[in-house]
Order: sequence, then C-alpha cells, then structure tokens
Amino acid sequence: DAKTTQPDSMESTEGETVHLPCSHATISGNEYIYWYRQVPLQGPEYVTHGLQQNTTNSMAFLAIASDRKSSTLILPHVSLRDAAVYHCILRELATGGNNKLTFGQGTVLSVIP
Amino acid sequence: EAAVTQSPRSKVAVTGGKVTLSCHQTNNHDYMYWYRQDTGHGLRLIHYSYVADSTEKGDIPDGYKASRPSQENFSLILELASLSQTAVYFCASSYRGPGQLYFGEGSKLTVL
Repeated sequence: DAKTTQPDSMESTEGETVHLPCSHATISGNEYIYWYRQVPLQGPEYVTHGLQQNTTNSMAFLAIASDRKSSTLILPHVSLRDAAVYHCILRELATGGNNKLTFGQGTVLSVIP
Repeated sequence: EAAVTQSPRSKVAVTGGKVTLSCHQTNNHDYMYWYRQDTGHGLRLIHYSYVADSTEKGDIPDGYKASRPSQENFSLILELASLSQTAVYFCASSYRGPGQLYFGEGSKLTVL
C-alpha cells in the first residue's frame, strides 16, 4: 500500500494560518488524498479530500502538488478547537467501490492561546 | 447530519469471555467498517461490509468475527477475548465511492 509521511508534531498560535505537510511519493493514479482529524476520546472527523485539483471547504484548503507526490492542508485562523491529530491518508478506490482507509500516526497539532 | 452509534461505549471483559460490540447507522450507507485503535497509534481496519449478510476481512481480522444482519447494523464479535484485544474500537459507515467515512464515538474495551 502506498504510504504517507507527516511530521510528528506542529505548534501554532490562535489566529495563525497553519500549513500541515504530507508526502506521498509513491501515490498511484487511482488514489485520493484524504485528511481526517481526531481529538482524544472521539472518532476521526473528515476534513477534506482531493484527487488532483486543490479543494476548499469550510474547514480547510487542500493544496495538491502538480505531480501529486505531496499535499498541504491549510487551516486558516486556527482556534483551540483545531488542536487534534491530523491524518493524511491515501484512499484507493478498488474495483467494486471498496474504500479502505489506512491510518498512520498523523501530525499532532498543538494550538497555543 | 450522519449518525453512527456504538454500544457499549465502555466494557470490561474477562480473558476467554465473549464480547459483542454493536454499531448502528441511520444514514442509509452501504459500507460499514470496524477499526481498532491502540494507545498512541493509528486506526487499523478489522472487518468491513458493503452489503447486508456479507462481511470482508480487513487488515487485522484474526481473533474477530463480524456480522451484518441488516444495512443499519454491524457487529464485531470476540469469541475468546484476550488481553491483546484491549483497545478502543471505532465503527464507521460510508457511501460507495469517494467521500467521507462517518465514525462513531468509539467503544473502549478492557480485557482483564
């Protein structure tokens, strides 16, 4: 399975814009890039996903490199509620539509008041 | 808002005992999944299902069985619980195709 590489931890201050990097050098053409986040004692929460084009929603902006070997999740104006473990995951859509997610360690984002 | 509910939220079991974790979704999703998470680690897929009355093995199925009696319900069964199965278990559901998985709140299992 193709894997991702993320920094173990990052720190930010409330109100700043945070750039969370993810490397996926062996990504294949049928793999989507997904981002989830998880806070303690809760299940993972979907943030965003993309295939080739940059995407944006109310939570974040996902910037995907033109060669798709890396991506960056951009969180504008972070608040304390954004403190979580952020997972960058490659999701292969196999024949039949089976969607498996393989989680890694993720990046622990700390937000300072 | 998608809803996935798990029960029990917390359970203490004895080694060798049988444990059943239940999951219910009200989203009309085709796919349901069971993951486990060990302290300080990512989630690992145990079993999943894409249709009622059928289940598939995930990445770590040994020691676990799964049952999907209806589209809404998906159970994880530990016939002979072991100490190594102490973990937090998450259920999730999704539509077929690209899109998000909706996770439940988790079930904390402690095997003594």
